[in-house]
Amino acid sequence: GQQLNQSPQSMFIQEGEDVSMNCTSSSIFNTWLWYKQDPGEGPVLLIALYKAGELTSNGRLTAQFGITRKDSFLNISASIPSDVGIYFCAGQPYGQNFVFGPGTRLSVLP
Amino acid sequence: DAEITQSPRHKITETGRQVTLACHQTWNHNNMFWYRQDLGHGLRLIHYSYGVQDTNKGEVSDGYSVSRSNTEDLPLTLESAASSQTSVYFCASSDQFFDTQYFGPGTRLTVL
Repeated sequence: GQQLNQSPQSMFIQEGEDVSMNCTSSSIFNTWLWYKQDPGEGPVLLIALYKAGELTSNGRLTAQFGITRKDSFLNISASIPSDVGIYFCAGQPYGQNFVFGPGTRLSVLP
Repeated sequence: DAEITQSPRHKITETGRQVTLACHQTWNHNNMFWYRQDLGHGLRLIHYSYGVQDTNKGEVSDGYSVSRSNTEDLPLTLESAASSQTSVYFCASSDQFFDTQYFGPGTRLTVL
């Protein structure tokens, strides 16, 4: 089946630093979603992308739908302690269900 | 406010027992999904439904079943629980096929 790769698997950053992570696939996707999951909770939608090249922001978060339609990127600016969590990407191939990446675990050091 | 709830939040059961996990959404969404989440894996699709009386198998459906008798509920049943089914289970819903999915808080199931 479809597989998504997320990079990095985990990262430790200092509070105030910017964060970049990405999601790649061997297949073309029509939709990309980015979720954040806090411990003991369900994933919460951060950003949805529907068009190749699209750049969308949600506060300090910015995500991009890659031009090749095989990747997507998420950036977090000026990280704060509450950014800690696992960030998941999800991609939807045309006519199929969403596929989820394994997640990037973010830790923010004070 | 519309929401999606799951119950129980935690469940411990024994191998061989039948277990049912509940999922209830008040979004009036057509589509509902069940996923399991295991360490090192992304969310893996177990079953999904695009409407009342509609059910479909996902990537990891063996040992699980669902039924959709109304718009709001999609219960997940483990017919005979196995230790390999120890996991965190998430229910999600969406309005249209291409729409974003909204997740419940999850059920942590332990099979001893």
